[in-house]
Amino acid sequence: RKEVEQDPGPFNVPEGATVAFNCTYSNSASQSFFWYRQDCRKEPKLLMSVYSSGNEDGRFTAQLNRASQYISLLIRDSKLSDSATYLCAVNLDMIYNQGGKLIFGQGTELSVKP
Amino acid sequence: DTEVTQTPKHLVMGMTNKKSLKCEQHMGHRAMYWYKQKAKKPPELMFVYSYEKLSINESVPSRFSPECPNSSLLNLHLHALQPEDSALYLCASSQEVGASTDTQYFGPGTRLTVL
Repeated sequence: RKEVEQDPGPFNVPEGATVAFNCTYSNSASQSFFWYRQDCRKEPKLLMSVYSSGNEDGRFTAQLNRASQYISLLIRDSKLSDSATYLCAVNLDMIYNQGGKLIFGQGTELSVKP
Repeated sequence: DTEVTQTPKHLVMGMTNKKSLKCEQHMGHRAMYWYKQKAKKPPELMFVYSYEKLSINESVPSRFSPECPNSSLLNLHLHALQPEDSALYLCASSQEVGASTDTQYFGPGTRLTVL
């Protein structure tokens, strides 16, 4: 089983749609979780950090379910500019001497159409 | 300011060449990272430096040699690379490895082509 598994894409949605991405992780000791956005041929840019049950930033909501070991990202009222690849990432806990090791999901490509 | 800079942006090298990738951050971060990313794949960790000491080497071939001259700089020395090493090489930095809220910020990357 992969350490981080992410919804396969691509997602093609119309402007204004709500879209959700999900990610599951296998290491129950994981402490911190992230969503990054990556545009074509660019670096990953941090979108949201998720440390507790979840957080919200404008149209974006990230949630963490430790019992089921998954994180989700919800984008409401999607814009053309939201088109990108969305990567979830899990930071392994220091207990396993893997501090600093960020494991990424495969990424989900989102295309928002007019 | 969460800026990590990398040079060069693009690099083309032959299999017998020796080249270096450079990364710099001035955010006072004490952890720096090298990742490799192939097309349509997620970034894969190569090395982690914490307080200028190598803390993680993900079994990377010796033709990749990292160096951390000081807390702001990170180099990746390349020698005798193979065509399959062609990829986007990303540098990242974070405040401190192991901190519960530690977050990694990425540089723009160096796109490497090995002929």
